[in-house]
Amino acid sequence: ETGVTQSPTHLIKTRGQQVTLRCSSQSGHNTVSWYQQALGQGPQFIFQYYREEENGRGNFPPRFSGLQFPNYSSELNVNALELDDSALYLCASSLAMVTGDGYTFGSGTRLTVV
Amino acid sequence: EDQVTQSPEALRLQEGESSSLNCSYTVSGLRGLFWYRQDPGKGPEFLFTLYSAGEEKEKERLKATLTKKESFLHITAPKPEDSATYLCAVQGRTDSWGKLQFGAGTQVVVTP
Repeated sequence: ETGVTQSPTHLIKTRGQQVTLRCSSQSGHNTVSWYQQALGQGPQFIFQYYREEENGRGNFPPRFSGLQFPNYSSELNVNALELDDSALYLCASSLAMVTGDGYTFGSGTRLTVV
Repeated sequence: EDQVTQSPEALRLQEGESSSLNCSYTVSGLRGLFWYRQDPGKGPEFLFTLYSAGEEKEKERLKATLTKKESFLHITAPKPEDSATYLCAVQGRTDSWGKLQFGAGTQVVVTP
């Protein structure tokens, strides 16, 4: 059974640029959530995708957008990067409406905006 | 809005010195409370899910308990490999299924 895979592991971008982060879900999971974790903080919910549609969103502006594909993999896109977007971006997969096993997180993408 | 507060922020223990971490929460109808362990540069690793007050779960040297307002993670006779940041998260009944509200975590260092 494969876990959650994220790519790339590290990324450096310039303020104002756009970035795309990728996530492959754990086998059998159909829901993907994205989180932003600033240094020394807990992860903050960005949004969730189920059946290729966004069906839950945290307090993040529209320049944070995403996609989920038929194979349940997902992308996070961030436009017009700001310095405060520097963080660890985590993808978590789960089975919809099941909490018992928790949510399986990937190792994250470390984004640095300069 | 769901809120989670963890204390202490950091904890330094001698090997074998048991201690407890606290997670205080407010949520409109608890669907689940989760404990995760996070090592530096890694994603959170699932430990436990608790659903209702009075529930307890154990795994090796870790034991999680739940009341209506808080959860405790007890670490018994810790070893250096238990060094990590421990995160608590809640999910309310009105939250989307993918949303967890995390606390800032407790960083635990266990020295030999």
